Amino acid sequence: GAVVSQHPSRVICKSGTSVKIECRSLDFQATTMFWYRQFPKQSLMLMATSNEGSKATYEQGVEKDKFLINHASLTLSTLTVTSAHPEDSSFYICSARDAKYYEQYFGPGTRLTVT
Amino acid sequence: GEDVEQSLFLSVREGDSSVINCTYTDSSSTYLYWYKQEPGAGLQLLTYIFSNMDMKQDQRLTVLLNKKDKHLSLRIADTQTGDSAIYFCAEILVGNQGGKLIFGQGTELSVKP
Repeated sequence: GAVVSQHPSRVICKSGTSVKIECRSLDFQATTMFWYRQFPKQSLMLMATSNEGSKATYEQGVEKDKFLINHASLTLSTLTVTSAHPEDSSFYICSARDAKYYEQYFGPGTRLTVT
Repeated sequence: GEDVEQSLFLSVREGDSSVINCTYTDSSSTYLYWYKQEPGAGLQLLTYIFSNMDMKQDQRLTVLLNKKDKHLSLRIADTQTGDSAIYFCAEILVGNQGGKLIFGQGTELSVKP
């Protein structure tokens, strides 16, 4: 299957700082990328849908000014957690949808810890 | 609204078959998926089935779809300890939902030697 990478895989930051997470589709073009958050032992919660060249669509309850999403190219989307707080600590996973098929491929996830 | 339900746990012995069940509510779903998640990792797409199909087989995996009852199952034949993971079923919302996936809660499969 197609490969999606995320960077970094783990990050620890201090409260009040910002952290950027990258999501790349390595061998296909992704017109749409999705950002999820996952708490321990729970399912994935969709945060936002990111379309190349346009503004992201955020799910209800997700603060767009706190979670900035940029989808600048067909292979890269970034999620920036601004002014991070300990409650933002979580596992963030991105996925990318192949433009041709209804197949979504997931990145390996980024473990964010805010101290 | 859309909702996907799964049982939370399943325990089997190595070599047995595992059957993970899932129900969904959106009758307009066109694709239904099974993903596998190992600890600390992302989701691996195992297989998917188009809604006009009843069954799909891929090596040890068999997916059965009962569209009338909105029931999806994943059968893993000859289950191995390496199959221990959380399995998520998901349906896709098409049209103006932009291909958003709706996930079940995940079924934790434990394979005992």
